[in-house]
Amino acid sequence: EDQVTQSPEALRLQEGESSSLNCSYTVSGLRGLFWYRQDPGKGPEFLFTLYSAGEEKEKERLKATLTKKESFLHITAPKPEDSATYLCAVQASFNQAGTALIFGKGTTLSVSS
Amino acid sequence: DSGVTQTPKHLITATGQRVTLRCSPRSGDLSVYWYQQSLDQGLQFLIQYYNGEERAKGNILERFSAQQFPDLHSELNLSSLELGDSALYFCASSASGGITDTQYFGPGTRLTVL
Repeated sequence: EDQVTQSPEALRLQEGESSSLNCSYTVSGLRGLFWYRQDPGKGPEFLFTLYSAGEEKEKERLKATLTKKESFLHITAPKPEDSATYLCAVQASFNQAGTALIFGKGTTLSVSS
Repeated sequence: DSGVTQTPKHLITATGQRVTLRCSPRSGDLSVYWYQQSLDQGLQFLIQYYNGEERAKGNILERFSAQQFPDLHSELNLSSLELGDSALYFCASSASGGITDTQYFGPGTRLTVL
């Protein structure tokens, strides 16, 4: 069964204090690992897709990396506006033609000034 | 703004009632997905449609049904509502519904069942 586990559940940082969020996954044939940002009461906002081990993508203060068993979201010198829940998901196949995202429970990041 | 729209934003109803949630995908996207997000379960996949046809079904209750219309908008119907159905319901869309597609999410409908 495809599964995604994120850690830690919650993370508190001071502004400028870099850290990493972890996403470990078990899936039969990875077809994409996705990172989303979600603000309270809002829809998930797409950040990155990673397809193969060794791949890295960057956007502003965020960098996502992928290995064969896990992905990391590195946050460099975070600001209070980076406070949100970060969700990791893998693409799973359903039946033979269908597809869906399997999500982890997320890491809630709080950055204080 | 992802380009996916959902209405209504909020819905408050009573147990036993029936409601309809509506979603319009991004321009050009053919596939629509529905997800439920509750505090204890996180984001759970319900159902996928591609160009009007059902493609995949997740943990969707029999009391729930969905469809995608010729203009590609989709509706999620929830009936015989129970307190436990209170949640955020998200619609997402993707270009072709393929296994490597990126899904873009709408702002959600918050359903409260009293």
